[in-house]
Amino acid sequence: KQEVTQIPAALSVPEGENLVLNCSFTDSAIYNLQWFRQDPGKGLTSLLLIQSSQREQTSGRLNASLDKSSGRSTLYIAASQPGDSATYLCAVLNQAGTALIFGKGTTLSVSS
Amino acid sequence: GAGVSQSPSNKVTEKGKDVELRCDPISGHTALYWYRQSLGQGLEFLIYFQGNSAPDKSGLPSDRFSAERTGGSVSTLTIQRTQQEDSAVYLCASGASVSTDTQYFGPGTRLTVL
Repeated sequence: KQEVTQIPAALSVPEGENLVLNCSFTDSAIYNLQWFRQDPGKGLTSLLLIQSSQREQTSGRLNASLDKSSGRSTLYIAASQPGDSATYLCAVLNQAGTALIFGKGTTLSVSS
Repeated sequence: GAGVSQSPSNKVTEKGKDVELRCDPISGHTALYWYRQSLGQGLEFLIYFQGNSAPDKSGLPSDRFSAERTGGSVSTLTIQRTQQEDSAVYLCASGASVSTDTQYFGPGTRLTVL
């Protein structure tokens, strides 16, 4: 059974710092991996999607990497801002393409 | 364009009652997913629809849960004889294809069972 783990569970940093969020998964047979952002009381916003054949994706200050063989992904946030404060969720799409399996998230707080 | 919409945004019900939750996916999206987000449990997959194919119901927690998708568009998740442990945020997502596309999530329905 696929399990997704995110470390750390919570992170507090001052504005301007670069930071890395970690995600690991137990079964390398995935279709793709997505990083989402969730603001309190809101739905999920997709940040980056990495196909299983890809190694990384970049969008603005965000960079996500994928090492499928070792079951790891990282989300790198450059020059963090208070507006980045949210919960970041990692999810892998099972090989059948029918379900996203989510980690429990990392709650990020960026102070000004 | 319009995103995924869900209704109601909040639902409070008494234990034992049935509830229906609605999801309107993005127009043209053939894939539709239901997830549940419980405090301390994270997000759990419930059911997946793709076009006219038989749905993947493997995530439904009990036979009190069912879902249908009419005309390949709107979906309704029904919970019969609700229990307090059903209290959660129910999220719907849609996507343009099985695997290559991002899943776009709605704002969710917060269900509280008293």
